Amino acid sequence: QKEVEQDPGPLSVPEGAIVSLNCTYSNSAFQYFMWYRQYSRKGPELLMYTYSSGNKEDGRFTAQVDKSSKYISLFIRDSQPSDSATYLCAMGRSYNTDKLIFGTGTRLQVFP
Amino acid sequence: DVKVTQSSRYLVKRTGEKVFLECVQDMDHENMFWYRQDPGLGLRLIYFSYDVKMKEKGDIPEGYSVSREKKERFSLILESASTNQTSMYLCAIHEAGANEQFFGPGTRLTVL
Repeated sequence: QKEVEQDPGPLSVPEGAIVSLNCTYSNSAFQYFMWYRQYSRKGPELLMYTYSSGNKEDGRFTAQVDKSSKYISLFIRDSQPSDSATYLCAMGRSYNTDKLIFGTGTRLQVFP
Repeated sequence: DVKVTQSSRYLVKRTGEKVFLECVQDMDHENMFWYRQDPGLGLRLIYFSYDVKMKEKGDIPEGYSVSREKKERFSLILESASTNQTSMYLCAIHEAGANEQFFGPGTRLTVL
């Protein structure tokens, strides 16, 4: 079993839809959770960063962490065609940890 | 803004060639990483370095070596390229005191 599982998609939604992207994990030692966005032929860029359980909101993006269920989510409200990208979840075990474990990424397509 | 540059965006090499991929950062970060990214497998850590002349194996170091002679530069070396090393190679740096990793734009390597 992989440490981090992520549905590869593709997920195709119309513009304006609410998008939900998810990852599950098996290692309860993970405390730091990140979402990266990767456009085609580019490197990943950090989108959201959360510590432990709870929610974090930034504009149209909300990250949720449920450590009891070992489940994290990224919600995108009012999705735009410019949100079309691959979204990768990533997790770390301790503060200032160096090694992150990445999900395989979910490809999202938002059509006009 | 943190800047991570990689020497080439696209590279085509022949089987058996020695290949150098270079990564340069413009900040003073100690920690640098090399990943490869393949469809369905996500990002896999090849090697990382905590400081000059230091290196640690990641999850898939076979067939690769690294060099860190200067703090700002981290090189990935394919001693004898093989077709199964055709992949997207991503360099990342880790900001001390945080958990974010910042990625370069990637090098798409094709080995014929």
